[in-house]
Amino acid sequence: DTAVSQTPKYLVTQMGNDKSIKCEQNLGHDTMYWYKQDSKKFLKIMFSYNNKELIINETVPNRFSPKSPDKAHLNLHINSLELGDSAVYFCASSPRDFSYNEQFFGPGTRLTVL
Amino acid sequence: SQKIEQNSEALNIQEGKTATLTCNYTNYSPAYLQWYRQDPGRGPVFLLLIRENEKEKRKERLKVTFDTTLKQSLFHITASQPADSATYLCALSGSARQLTFGSGTQLTVLP
Repeated sequence: DTAVSQTPKYLVTQMGNDKSIKCEQNLGHDTMYWYKQDSKKFLKIMFSYNNKELIINETVPNRFSPKSPDKAHLNLHINSLELGDSAVYFCASSPRDFSYNEQFFGPGTRLTVL
Repeated sequence: SQKIEQNSEALNIQEGKTATLTCNYTNYSPAYLQWYRQDPGRGPVFLLLIRENEKEKRKERLKVTFDTTLKQSLFHITASQPADSATYLCALSGSARQLTFGSGTQLTVLP
């Protein structure tokens, strides 16, 4: 299946822990994104990578660190998790980093910090 | 600051009617406007894109209008079906290489 995939689907962890979410796309796209969707369904961009290069880095705590080993993968590592980090995290990709490109989203990772 | 508002959090309509969802924005000059559908527990799925110089775009039962004077987009689903029930998100993009999303409207089509 051609798609954007994320693992894990659900992540439940204690405050203070470090965790990672992995994302892969097999669509041959150059650009990948991480979004956070809060409890009010508001979807907000966190990071964007184009061909492994960071191009968007919104005001996100530096506990969040994205890593792109190649243009098909974009992982998100979160240090010292806090209660407020609980949300659904979506990975997405698009053919280029142009604003008119449609984005293809993964299924999401629901992170719950206890 | 830039603001995107979608008309209401929830909209209920009867099957067969036309659903109309509204997206208003302020302090923004978008070049493109996109609409996405999101089902519970799933990621958003792209539906339509309209450019600032286009007034209207259609795809099957979907129609989008874009009025840059009113700073508003309308999203219509004609002959609505219960399967159209979902949350619909509008997203704007301009010179910045990113999409800014509204908070969505949850549409329920009643049989």
